[in-house]
Order: sequence, then structure tokens, then C-alpha cells
Amino acid sequence: KQEVTQIPAALSVPEGENLVLNCSFTDSAIYNLQWFRQDPGKGLTSLLLIQSSQREQTSGRLNASLDKSSGRSTLYIAASQPGDSATYLCAVRPWEGGSEKLVFGKGMKLTVNP
Amino acid sequence: NAGVTQTPKFRVLKTGQSMTLLCAQDMNHEYMYWYRQDPGMGLRLIHYSVGEGTTAKGEVPDGYNVSRLKKQNFLLGLESAAPSQTSVYFCASSPPTSGSADEQFFGPGTRLTVL
Repeated sequence: KQEVTQIPAALSVPEGENLVLNCSFTDSAIYNLQWFRQDPGKGLTSLLLIQSSQREQTSGRLNASLDKSSGRSTLYIAASQPGDSATYLCAVRPWEGGSEKLVFGKGMKLTVNP
Repeated sequence: NAGVTQTPKFRVLKTGQSMTLLCAQDMNHEYMYWYRQDPGMGLRLIHYSVGEGTTAKGEVPDGYNVSRLKKQNFLLGLESAAPSQTSVYFCASSPPTSGSADEQFFGPGTRLTVL
């Protein structure tokens, strides 16, 4: 059974730091991996999707990498800002016959202090 | 283009009452999903649909029913609510592309409390 882990569960940093958020998964047979952002009391906003054939994706100050063989993904946030404060979730779509679901990690709560 | 919308945003029920949560998407997506989010548990898939008239069970389907009578709508029903169903419910949709490129888009959520 696919399991997704995000460690640490919370992180507090001063503004301006470059950050690396980690995600690990137990089964490398995946279609894709998606990073989401969730603000308190809000829904999920998709940040980046990395297909199984890709190694990384970039959007603005965000860069996500995927290493399927080791079961790891990292989300890099450059020059963090207080507005980046949110919970970040990682999810994989397993390569199971007929599976349409995403398997989520429990998220990492990021606080960027001014 | 509103994306994925959910109705209602908040609801309080008493044990044993029934209700229906409505999800609507205007992106012409084939696939739709219902998840629940609980503290310390992450998001878990309840039911999903791969097209109009189809439904399938997810990871935690017990106590819920769903219907997809129209492509743009996906309904989640609770026939007899229990306190264990207190949660935040999210609907999502995705297009059926090549499998590896289908991104899921989420609604704002419905916060349900069962007393």
C-alpha cells in the first residue's frame, strides 16, 4: 500500500530563507506527484505537478524535483516571504490498475516570520 | 470560470439526520472525487466518478453514497449522520488526459459538524 510521508510536520523560518520541503513515498510505481498549498480554512491550490517521466518542474520561486527510484520529492521555495505561510501537501497518484485516487501526505505547516 | 464549487460551506447536523453535499465544476472534467480531511489523518478518498452515470468506492466509503447524474455535478449523501463523520469535505475534478498529466483541482471545502 502506497504511503506518503512529510517530515517535519511544521517549520518556522525567518523571511528570506531558501527552503526545502521533503516528501517521501513507499512505492515508486506512480503516474505523477502533485504539490498543493492549503491556507487555513481554505481548499487546496495546486502548485506543481511532476509526471513520472519528469525530473523537475518550476513555477516562479517554486521548484519541485522527483526521484522515483528513491521515492522522494522536494519542493524548493526561494527567498521565502510571509505570504508563503501555509500548509504544503504532497500527493502521489499510484500506478494501480484502475486507480484514480491521490494518496496524500499529512502536510507540513510552514510559517515564515517577517 | 468558477472552477470547482461546493455547497454548502458549513453545516451542523444532529446524529441520524441526513444531508447532501453538492459539488459542481465548469471545466468539463470527466473525473470527480470526494475526499475528507481530518486532523492527523490527511485527505482520504471517499468515492469517485470517472464519468457521468458512474461511481466507485474509494478508501473510506462506508456511511456515504454518491451520484453523478450530470457530468458537471457530483453529489455526496449522508443518510444517517454520525459524529465520526465530522470533517471537512473536499470535492475535486480532473480531466482524463494521458494519466500522468491529469492534475486534480479542488473546491473550497464543506465543514460539517455532527453533534
